[in-house]
Amino acid sequence: GQQVMQIPQYQHVQEGEDFTTYCNSSTTLSNIQWYKQRPGGHPVFLIQLVKSGEVKKQKRLTFQFGEAKKNSSLHITATQTTDVGTYFCAGPGSNYQLIWGAGTKLIIKP
Amino acid sequence: DGGITQSPKYLFRKEGQNVTLSCEQNLNHDAMYWYRQDPGQGLRLIYYSQIVNDFQKGDIAEGYSVSREKKESFPLTVTSAQKNPTAFYLCASSPRGSTNNEQFFGPGTRLTVL
Repeated sequence: GQQVMQIPQYQHVQEGEDFTTYCNSSTTLSNIQWYKQRPGGHPVFLIQLVKSGEVKKQKRLTFQFGEAKKNSSLHITATQTTDVGTYFCAGPGSNYQLIWGAGTKLIIKP
Repeated sequence: DGGITQSPKYLFRKEGQNVTLSCEQNLNHDAMYWYRQDPGQGLRLIYYSQIVNDFQKGDIAEGYSVSREKKESFPLTVTSAQKNPTAFYLCASSPRGSTNNEQFFGPGTRLTVL
């Protein structure tokens, strides 16, 4: 069945370092969504990408959608403690469902 | 305030008991969803409903049941047939049952079966 793979599972960074998470789909996607879940919280929508090769920025966050619309990435520049959490990608599946990646947990080293 | 509420935040039950988790939204959204999240894992869809009085099974519906009698309410019952019910349960809604719409999540219910 359709899958959305997300790597890495965890990323430990020093505050101020960059962070990147990658999503790869087994099929072409019409769009991809990104969500953030703070520790103990619930997922919150960040952005949706629709166009091939699309790049969108939100302050220190840069989202990319691949040319083939099968992969996507989220890059955070100069991480801050407020960035801590798990970042999920999600793409459309069958029957109006979203297929979720397993998430990448951003951990700031003390 | 518009949003999704789930109650209770924490729930403890004995093995073999059915339990119903509440989900209410005042966003006037047509579509509602129930997800299960286990530690270190992504979200797995249990049931979803695109419209009142209609719902479909997701990937892990076994041992769960739902109803959608009102647009704003989508309760989930975890039955004794669910073999491993301890998990974090998240309810979500979206304006329509389309994968082009963002999903809005409630705060979740942590269920522990003793």
